[in-house]
Amino acid sequence: AQTVTQSQPEMSVQEAETVTLSCTYDTSENNYYLFWYKQPPSRQMILVIRQEAYKQQNATENRFSVNFQKAAKSFSLKISDSQLGDTAMYFCAFIEMDSNYQLIWGAGTKLIIKP
Amino acid sequence: DAGVTQSPTHLIKTRGQQVTLRCSPKSGHDTVSWYQQALGQGPQFIFQYYEEEERQRGNFPDRFSGHQFPNYSSELNVNALLLGDSALYLCASSLALGYNEQFFGPGTRLTVL
Repeated sequence: AQTVTQSQPEMSVQEAETVTLSCTYDTSENNYYLFWYKQPPSRQMILVIRQEAYKQQNATENRFSVNFQKAAKSFSLKISDSQLGDTAMYFCAFIEMDSNYQLIWGAGTKLIIKP
Repeated sequence: DAGVTQSPTHLIKTRGQQVTLRCSPKSGHDTVSWYQQALGQGPQFIFQYYEEEERQRGNFPDRFSGHQFPNYSSELNVNALLLGDSALYLCASSLALGYNEQFFGPGTRLTVL
């Protein structure tokens, strides 16, 4: 079965610190995309970063980077120099390219950045 | 360029009633997906519409139905509402079938009493 597990329900760090959010997933497919989405209190789901499974190089977007371990089916998100505006729910998700195009989501991690 | 819009923002219904939620996709997008997000959980895929047809469906009962119009906007209908249908309903639009980035609307918060 396709599943996404986020083992940290809530995390909090001081502003400017680095924080890593964990995600593991399960799929039998070899061709898929992985995502981290951010959902602030405004509820708008925003794409933070994307990783194609066939790419070995970890994706980076400014202060956001991932550690993609395909064999371990692990996909963690690192936020550097955290800012107050990073406070939000963060969801890990993936989509299989060969069988369907449904986004499969984790339960989320609530991240609080403290001033 | 308007992003994905959804209406209404909030909605309160009672058990057994029917509800219709609406979504207008981002300009240029032709595919609409609907998700249900219960409180404290991640979204669950309901279904996806393309060319006015339901192309994929998640594990939701037939009480959940939808429609896509020629202008690509979409409706989600839920009949015989249950307390468990209380959730945030998210609409996402993308370009064509297959994987293209999905852009999300702000959601409709449905409360069933």
